[in-house]
Amino acid sequence: QKEVEQNSGPLSVPEGAIASLNCTYSDRGSQSFFWYRQYSGKSPELIMSIYSNGDKEDGRFTAQLNKASQYVSLLIRDSQPSDSATYLCAGNTNAGKSTFGDGTTLTVKP
Amino acid sequence: NAGVMQNPRHLVRRRGQEARLRCSPMKGHSHVYWYRQLPEEGLKFMVYLQKENIIDESGMPKERFSAEFPKEGPSILRIQQVVRGDSAAYFCASSSLGGQSYNEQFFGPGTRLTVL
Repeated sequence: QKEVEQNSGPLSVPEGAIASLNCTYSDRGSQSFFWYRQYSGKSPELIMSIYSNGDKEDGRFTAQLNKASQYVSLLIRDSQPSDSATYLCAGNTNAGKSTFGDGTTLTVKP
Repeated sequence: NAGVMQNPRHLVRRRGQEARLRCSPMKGHSHVYWYRQLPEEGLKFMVYLQKENIIDESGMPKERFSAEFPKEGPSILRIQQVVRGDSAAYFCASSSLGGQSYNEQFFGPGTRLTVL
């Protein structure tokens, strides 16, 4: 079992819809979680951090964390073609080590 | 306000040669992480360093790979006697915090290594 698993893609949504990206983790030592966006051929870009249970909103992005279920999600509202990218979920332990999922590729169709 | 710098951006080596990848962290950051990304795959942690110290090298292959972060200068990931399977994108990230879960990591542009 992978330490961080993301829902298999690719995911395709129409422009303006809500894109839902999911991530589960197996290491209960993971305390903090991060979502990165990676465009093809580019480096990962940090878009959201979440440290405690519940929701965290930033513009069109909402991250959700449920430590009891070991589940993290990212919602993108009003999806735009420019949101088309691979989204990486990462979990950090208290030692600061990050473990990444394999990513979910999102395509937003105009 | 420069971000994480990596060079070279592209590196071509023949089998058996050495590859040296450099990473300068963001200003004010003293924690450096190296990751490898194979085509169509996720990021795999390799090593975590602070100045003059290797904190966690659990992701480093046992042979041919080494990393350092000297007191002065960039962090260097060194691959000796490269093989075709080493062809990948190598990303460096830096953070201002280390040894705790809240450290947000910021990535450099990566070095694309091609082994002929």
